[in-house]
Amino acid sequence: QLQLQESGPGLVKPSESLSLTCTVSGGSISSNRYYWGWVRQPPGKGLEWIGHIYFDGSTYYKSSLKSRVTVSGDTSKNQCSLNLSSVTAADTAVYYCVRVVVGTTGNWFDPWGQGTLVTVSS
Amino acid sequence: EIVMTQSPATLSVSPGERATLSCRASQSVSSNLAWYQQKPGQAPRLLIYGASTRATGIPARFSGSGSGTEFTLTISSLQSEDFAVYYCQQYNNWYTFGQGTKLEIK
Repeated sequence: QLQLQESGPGLVKPSESLSLTCTVSGGSISSNRYYWGWVRQPPGKGLEWIGHIYFDGSTYYKSSLKSRVTVSGDTSKNQCSLNLSSVTAADTAVYYCVRVVVGTTGNWFDPWGQGTLVTVSS
Repeated sequence: EIVMTQSPATLSVSPGERATLSCRASQSVSSNLAWYQQKPGQAPRLLIYGASTRATGIPARFSGSGSGTEFTLTISSLQSEDFAVYYCQQYNNWYTFGQGTKLEIK
């Protein structure tokens, strides 16, 4: 059974960088059938795709976040990581790690990690 | 960016009855649409992809339909565990989600 587990600091200061790691078990991030990525959800609000990475190192980011986001992968540890720079209170959210299934006409998200709340505050 | 609009924002339905949730895209997304269910304090769970294909393990009472800009998620006979928030998502042009429909017990 595939499991995704997010980890990282729960509190980040404004203007600093947010760094999260997703540890994948029960599957390999080296598979060409999937991407591995991140979605966030501000408290009480909706879902926002951030970006994801393919096994060949290709990365894809939401355009409005592209200047601040880096998604990377570590195949030796079977982990996917998120770095978001210059954070503000607007970046406070639950961050979910997701497996992105490569479909014939597009890609969907399944499964999702349990999520980790990151609060941006001084 | 493709905007996804869900209606209604809240839907009150009695257990055993049918629920119909709507999702509209600001431009055509073909059949590249997914539905997710989210319960309080939990991560979203994939229900439907390709507008109408149930994900693994999803009960047959969940069905999806539509293409282009208009989509529907139908739950044929509501069980207690179905009361949750439902999101639609398009993946035809990057990825955007609707704002969600909260399905509550009437």
